[in-house]
Amino acid sequence: ETGVTQTPRHLVMGMTNKKSLKCEQHLGHNAMYWYKQSAKKPLELMFVYNFKEQTENNSVPSRFSPECPNSSHLFLHLHTLQPEDSALYLCASSQDGGRGYGYTFGSGTRLTVV
Amino acid sequence: SQQGEEDPQALSIQEGENATMNCSYKTSINNLQWYRQNSGRGLVHLILIRSNEREKHSGRLRVTLDTSKKSSSLLITASRAADTASYFCEPQGGSEKLVFGKGTKLTVNP
Repeated sequence: ETGVTQTPRHLVMGMTNKKSLKCEQHLGHNAMYWYKQSAKKPLELMFVYNFKEQTENNSVPSRFSPECPNSSHLFLHLHTLQPEDSALYLCASSQDGGRGYGYTFGSGTRLTVV
Repeated sequence: SQQGEEDPQALSIQEGENATMNCSYKTSINNLQWYRQNSGRGLVHLILIRSNEREKHSGRLRVTLDTSKKSSSLLITASRAADTASYFCEPQGGSEKLVFGKGTKLTVNP
C-alpha cells in the first residue's frame, strides 16, 4: 500500500445514478489531486486541493463535484455521468508540491458508466 | 506547469536486456521525476533528480539529466518481466500540479 487509499476499486453505475469516490491519505500531506485516465489518453488533471482549498479546476464538467473536508480526505461526487466518463480515476497527494519526495498515488477507481 | 514528452512511445525488449527511455521538456526546471504505472493501477514514484544533478542511481535504475538539452533519460538495467509498465517523466518548474505526457510503454518479454 502506498499510503493513499481509494475506494471503491471498481464501480459500475448507470447514467442516472449518484455515487462518490473516496480518497484517504495518512501521510500528512497538504495537497491532494484527482486525475482521470481514459483508454489511450494521457493522464488528465481534474482538481487540486491545498490545505482543503480548491486551487485548480481544470475545466471539469459540473457532473463531477469534488469535496475536501480536511487535508486527509478527498471525495469525487458523481451524478448524471456519460459513458465517455468511464475511466480510471486516480487520487494523489503531495507535500510541498512534491518537490522533495514526489507524489503518492492511490491504486485508482475503475469507473464504468453504462 | 509543463509536461514531459517521453520517447519512444513503446519499447519491447527481452528479459535481461537494458531499457532506455528519454524525456524532453521545454522550460527550465527545479527537478525532474520519473514514475511507473502498472496497467490499471496508480503511479509509483521512482526517482527524483534535481536540476543541479547530472546523474542519479537507485538500484537498477539510472537517471541522467542534461539541463542544457532539456532532456532526461531513464535506464533500467537487467530488465525483468515485472518491469513491464508505462513510464512517465514529470519536469517541475515550481508549479505544484503534475501534468503527464503519454509515457513510454515498456514490455519486457520473458
